[in-house]
Amino acid sequence: DAKTTQPTSMDCAEGRAANLPCNHSTISGNEYVYWYRQIHSQGPQYIIHGLKNNETNEMASLIITEDRKSSTLILPHATLRDTAVYYCIVRVGAGYSSASKIIFGSGTRLSIRP
Amino acid sequence: ETGVTQTPRHLVMGMTNKKSLKCEQHLGHNAMYWYKQSAKKPLELMFVYSLEERVENNSVPSRFSPECPNSSHLFLHLHTLQPEDSALYLCASSQDVQGFADTQYFGPGTRLTVL
Repeated sequence: DAKTTQPTSMDCAEGRAANLPCNHSTISGNEYVYWYRQIHSQGPQYIIHGLKNNETNEMASLIITEDRKSSTLILPHATLRDTAVYYCIVRVGAGYSSASKIIFGSGTRLSIRP
Repeated sequence: ETGVTQTPRHLVMGMTNKKSLKCEQHLGHNAMYWYKQSAKKPLELMFVYSLEERVENNSVPSRFSPECPNSSHLFLHLHTLQPEDSALYLCASSQDVQGFADTQYFGPGTRLTVL
């Protein structure tokens, strides 16, 4: 079972920041927060990941609360091409075990409106 | 382009047919994965290979038979499938199954329809 909870759907105006929340209240100290997205009829695409600190890359920013029980993915200037299902996943980073499998939940369907 | 290719992109087969799905990664990765995505269901991990050795078999029926001849190629052999096996089959690769924060790169998938 997925260890995260996300809203089923969200929408955002083009050009505005899209903020996608994720709850992971049972996260363990050695588990990372990952975000992937899946554009219709394509394979999932890695976006970003983090452990404790906030992270930023060319695609997005990841804000993790101090207690690590929730996080927010931020797409700073959403475009129509960002319309996709966004998956928040927690997994162990080191070593391989059942805990390190990427388990996809239902995700958030993000719609960007013109 | 993620560096992971899958063929065919679409496949229609009867329940008595035997077919194979192919995945190839051009990233120099050591680990490869098969996932299944059925309509309106989350992605399900099927198999994991690390350095051509299977490390995970996620209770998949024997009518699905994976093969990893080398670290760049992964096959999924299909035989006597059922209509409920119709789904998008996704291949992914990562640098390794161990190590911190390993990122998986996915192929575009094969859309399988079983008649």
